[in-house]
Amino acid sequence: QLQLQESGPGLLKSSETLSLTCTVSGDSISRSTFYWGWIRQHPGMGLEWIGTMYYRGSTFYNPSLKSRVTISADTSKNEISLNLSSVTAADSAVYYCASAGSGGYYAFDPWGQGTLVIVSS
Amino acid sequence: QSALTQPPSVSGSPGQSVTISCTGSSSDVGSYNRVSWYQQPPGTAPKLMIYEVSNRPSGVPGRFSGSKSGNTASLTISGLQAEDEGDYYCSSYTSSYTFVFGGGTKLTVL
Repeated sequence: QLQLQESGPGLLKSSETLSLTCTVSGDSISRSTFYWGWIRQHPGMGLEWIGTMYYRGSTFYNPSLKSRVTISADTSKNEISLNLSSVTAADSAVYYCASAGSGGYYAFDPWGQGTLVIVSS
Repeated sequence: QSALTQPPSVSGSPGQSVTISCTGSSSDVGSYNRVSWYQQPPGTAPKLMIYEVSNRPSGVPGRFSGSKSGNTASLTISGLQAEDEGDYYCSSYTSSYTFVFGGGTKLTVL
């Protein structure tokens, strides 16, 4: 059974780069049937798709974040990473990683438990 | 890209049925049968309830069903139970190879 766990610094300062890791267990991230997404949720708000990475490495990002986002994979560690540069208070949110392709191909399942990131000025 | 439009809140009594709508455009909901629905109880991660408009993952009760007409998708919960309370989000794959979520709907079981 696929399980995902996000990790990273909970507190950042404005203008720094946010780096989060999603550790995947239960299967290899290299399987062609899977792809991976990052989604965030501002406090008390809805879900915002950040980006998606496919098994061959191609990536697609939310146009509103595209200039600051990079999603990558470390197959040796079975990890997916998210980098978000030049953060501001507006980037404070719970960040989730999720898998797609294991059930419906265009649906995220399962999700990690999420990690809270706070950006201070 | 614009968020999909959902009603902020819906409510119903135990045993009743409720329907949550999700309106997009011809670039997302209307283009493909790639709409999914997620349930998020307070303080927890979202859980997939419906994928590809109307398919239920294993373990999701048959009370949950999905449909689509034009640019609007819908999630119907029949035989409402107290445990169904929480926030519900729709999502769609788009013609730009991206995903977009709805603003979320808070379901209250009276």
